Amino acid sequence: DTAVSQTPKYLVTQMGNDKSIKCEQNLGHDTMYWYKQDSKKFLKIMFSYNNKELIINETVPNRFSPKSPDKAHLNLHINSLELGDSAVYFCASSQVAGETDTQYFGPGTRLTVL
Amino acid sequence: AQSVTQLGSHVSVSEGALVLLRCNYSSSVPPYLFWYVQYPNQGLQLLLKYTSAATLVKGINGFEAEFKKSETSFHLTKPSAHMSDAAEYFCAVRAVGDYKLSFGAGTTVTVRA
Repeated sequence: DTAVSQTPKYLVTQMGNDKSIKCEQNLGHDTMYWYKQDSKKFLKIMFSYNNKELIINETVPNRFSPKSPDKAHLNLHINSLELGDSAVYFCASSQVAGETDTQYFGPGTRLTVL
Repeated sequence: AQSVTQLGSHVSVSEGALVLLRCNYSSSVPPYLFWYVQYPNQGLQLLLKYTSAATLVKGINGFEAEFKKSETSFHLTKPSAHMSDAAEYFCAVRAVGDYKLSFGAGTTVTVRA
């Protein structure tokens, strides 16, 4: 039974399109995150929600909009896709937003913008 | 902002040899430190974490790390490498009172038969 799942696993699209990536966790966690991993494997936090409230909002273009309909789901919508958005996007969750909490990662969504 | 530096973007070891991955943090106040592993085409998985309870931390798959405040380091070791240890390893840091986890650039480990 997958703890943190993401759909789709692969996403290939044209520049200028709008796309969404969905994330669900069945761990009963309160906090969820979106990370971007670039082609050099560098990982950077984008957003975090705790109990549906946005607590981390990094310097990310406002074409990216996270939405958390409930504690178990955190979706990422991207408008007007650009070539530089090509990356692997990881969703993660942790029990709370605590400093020592373990984050559990999903399998990733590989986005390719043509 | 908290940051970690991983020395060596690529480490190659023979099967059965010691694995040593280096991580140094930049902070005057000891932060919380983590090691994650990423196998090919998968998400990250926690290996171990330092939460100030003990300086020598044992993790999964035979890995351990020692927190050394005097050296601002949290190096990861495994006495005997296995082929299945081939992966990307990330050191990460979280400051006291901070929500954000910041990752190092990663170290790719290859294991030679």
